[in-house]
Amino acid sequence: QLHLQESGPGLVKPSETLSLTCSVSGGSMTSSAYYWGWVRQPPGEGLEWIGRISSSGTTSYNPSLKSRLSISVDTSRNQFSLTLSSVTAADTALYYCARLHAPGVFRGGEFDPWGQGTLVTVSS
Amino acid sequence: DIQMTQSPSTLSASVGDRVTITCRASQSIDTWLAWYQQKSGKAPKLLIYRASTLEAGVPSRFSGSGSGTDFTLTISGLHPDDFATYYCQQYHSYYTFGQGTKLEIK
Repeated sequence: QLHLQESGPGLVKPSETLSLTCSVSGGSMTSSAYYWGWVRQPPGEGLEWIGRISSSGTTSYNPSLKSRLSISVDTSRNQFSLTLSSVTAADTALYYCARLHAPGVFRGGEFDPWGQGTLVTVSS
Repeated sequence: DIQMTQSPSTLSASVGDRVTITCRASQSIDTWLAWYQQKSGKAPKLLIYRASTLEAGVPSRFSGSGSGTDFTLTISGLHPDDFATYYCQQYHSYYTFGQGTKLEIK
């Protein structure tokens, strides 16, 4: 069964860069049937898609974050990573990584499964 | 951007009730819609995709319907385990979530 686990600092200073890694176990990241994505949830609020990457490295980013965002993948280590630069308090959130079904005839765009999430607080 | 609007924001119900949550898209998304359940302190769980297809392992009391801009999630016969927050998500163009509907015990 596929398992995803986020890791990274829980506290980041304003104007600095947030970096998180998602480690995937129980399966391979190389299938073209899936993408790998990030979603965040500010405390007490709803869900916001951040971005996603294919196993070949093709990315798609939320336009509202695109200028500050980079997502990369290392299939040899079964990991993908997120960096978000110039963070502010508005970037404080629970960050989730998830597998994403790639576009197909019948599926394409659902997030499943998800990691447990990691809380990142932006504060000095 | 495609905006997703859920209603109601909060829904009070009792065990055994039948409840319906509505999700409206700001433009047509065909049936590119998923529903998730999120319990407190946990990650969201996929329930339904393509508006009406039940994910494997999800109880049959959950059902989804709709196409275009208007969608519903129905739970027929609430179980104690169903009290949670529910989100819709479109994947017609990028990915956008609704603001969530909290289903609470009456």
